[in-house]
Amino acid sequence: ELKVEQNPLFLSMQEGKNYTIYCNYSTTSDRLYWYRQDPGKSLESLFVLLSNGAVKQEGRLMASLDTKARLSTLHITAAVHDLSATYFCAVDKETSGSRLTFGEGTQLTVNP
Amino acid sequence: NAGVTQTPKFRVLKTGQSMTLLCAQDMNHEYMYWYRQDPGMGLRLIHYSVGEGTTAKGEVPDGYNVSRLKKQNFLLGLESAAPSQTSVYFCASSYIRMPRSYGYTFGSGTRLTVV
Repeated sequence: ELKVEQNPLFLSMQEGKNYTIYCNYSTTSDRLYWYRQDPGKSLESLFVLLSNGAVKQEGRLMASLDTKARLSTLHITAAVHDLSATYFCAVDKETSGSRLTFGEGTQLTVNP
Repeated sequence: NAGVTQTPKFRVLKTGQSMTLLCAQDMNHEYMYWYRQDPGMGLRLIHYSVGEGTTAKGEVPDGYNVSRLKKQNFLLGLESAAPSQTSVYFCASSYIRMPRSYGYTFGSGTRLTVV
């Protein structure tokens, strides 16, 4: 059974600081997705990582994938309040036929 | 281009009542999914469909049924609602595995409360 674990689950940080969210998964996969969810809203796709060593950046967010370590990171640079949201990673298991398994989510709060 | 549309957006049911949640997509996606979201548990797959007329069980299928009579629609039914089914339900759709990079498109969610 594929398990996807995120840490931390809750993150409170000050504006201007840097931090990293970690996503570990339990089985072989070369496809990992990051989503953002604002309170009461749907999920918005942030990044799609399709191979070992993949790195994607958008604004203050950068995601990377290490398939050998079964680890993805979402790095936040110089956080701003607008980044406050819940972030989910999701893994597409090779043999599952495009079914995503989600982590528990990391609730990020950026304080002024 | 509406994407993925879910109806209703909110609903309160009494224990034992039945209801159907509708998901409609206009992107000609082959795959469709129903997830439920509960605090601290991420999203869990209820049922999914890889094409018109096909359905399959996901991680938490008990108490739910689904149908996909048309490619663009995926219905989730609760035959006899229970308080444990209080949740936010998300529908999603995607292309088949190739091209792999698109991932899911999500609907806006249905907030269901069973009292």
